[in-house]
Amino acid sequence: GQNIDQPTEMTATEGAIVQINCTYQTSGFNGLFWYQQHAGEAPTFLSYNVLDGLEEKGRFSSFLSRSKGYSYLLLKELQMKDSASYLCAGVRGGATNKLIFGTGTLLAVQP
Amino acid sequence: DVKVTQSSRYLVKRTGEKVFLECVQDMDHENMFWYRQDPGLGLRLIYFSYDVKMKEKGDIPEGYSVSREKKERFSLILESASTNQTSMYLCASRTGTSAHNEQFFGPGTRLTVL
Repeated sequence: GQNIDQPTEMTATEGAIVQINCTYQTSGFNGLFWYQQHAGEAPTFLSYNVLDGLEEKGRFSSFLSRSKGYSYLLLKELQMKDSASYLCAGVRGGATNKLIFGTGTLLAVQP
Repeated sequence: DVKVTQSSRYLVKRTGEKVFLECVQDMDHENMFWYRQDPGLGLRLIYFSYDVKMKEKGDIPEGYSVSREKKERFSLILESASTNQTSMYLCASRTGTSAHNEQFFGPGTRLTVL
């Protein structure tokens, strides 16, 4: 199948840097989204990568390697409000025009 | 500000009831989506619509139907609710035809079927 894999949970310390990884089958997808979802709230868009390399947006950066089927989200200068689930979603190739979501990584930021 | 709203945040229904979940977007988006979100399974696509009166099955359409009579409104229908349909239901919308455009999500409806 077309799976997107990411760790279930991570813990990090306020002020630190954390990297959340996402891997997928290379043949299935041609673009990758990251969304943030606080408990009980809607997912909100963080970043999108379609080409290889790093996209930086303030404290958040996202990286994509299409040949390796690998992406990561990098969060710097962690704040308590960054405690949330981070969802990786691949753009399915072909005419289907849909996203496939990973199960999400629950990040807990501790003081 | 972009807005996607859903008719209820919490809903409790009984097995066998017909359930309507409503979603409205104010962004004039062509595409609308219904997902369910379950622990350990992530978001899974139930149905989507790329235009008024058009619909396509997603990955898990069984037990569901949809209606899109107006561009801004996309309804999810559970014809006969079952306990395995207890879940968080998320609606989303997106402009244009490209899957590379971001989706905007509603706050979700937590449905419990007893």
